[in-house]
Amino acid sequence: DTGVSQNPRHKITKRGQNVTFRCDPISEHNRLYWYRQTLGQGPEFLTYFQNEAQLEKSRLLSDRFSAERPKGSFSTLEIQRTEQGDSAMYLCASSSGGGTYNEQFFGPGTRLTVL
Amino acid sequence: GENVEQHPSTLSVQEGDSAVIKCTYSDSASNYFPWYKQELGKRPQLIIDIRSNVGEKKDQRIAVTLNKTAKHFSLHITETQPEDSAVYFCAATRTNAGKSTFGDGTTLTVKP
Repeated sequence: DTGVSQNPRHKITKRGQNVTFRCDPISEHNRLYWYRQTLGQGPEFLTYFQNEAQLEKSRLLSDRFSAERPKGSFSTLEIQRTEQGDSAMYLCASSSGGGTYNEQFFGPGTRLTVL
Repeated sequence: GENVEQHPSTLSVQEGDSAVIKCTYSDSASNYFPWYKQELGKRPQLIIDIRSNVGEKKDQRIAVTLNKTAKHFSLHITETQPEDSAVYFCAATRTNAGKSTFGDGTTLTVKP
């Protein structure tokens, strides 16, 4: 499968624990996005990378959230001291760059449940 | 901040009828407007998109219209089929920023 992949697909954790998710974009894509989606809502933007540079971060993202894309390929999203309100589907997407904006391809998501 | 409103939140039509979903956006710098279809438990998938220099785009049974002055865009599905049943999301994007703001979705049900 050459699409966007995410691991793990499901994560159950206790409140206060740290969790880390991984996203592998389509190999030739230099843009990578993280979104959060809760039931009945559209994907909510969290952050965006172009290559290894984190170009934008949502004001909704608290200091407990951090994302990296160290070599401009895969990305990780870490949530520290998880809270029940962090329970959601975390979606990653990638797109190719260049002068024309291109379609974002979404991964299958990581469903986080915080008990 | 940026905001996208999407209506209706639920839509039920008879097979063969047309379905229309409408979105309005607040960020006048938005210049790319994709529509995604998300089936239950699956990832969002792009079905059609439109750029700000175009007023209308059509792909078989699906069409999208854009009114930049009114900051309004719409998805039109003709000759609906049961397999069109899904949640549809609109989004507004400022391509120099990369970020997309999504609407809250429309659950479309096509009754056979």
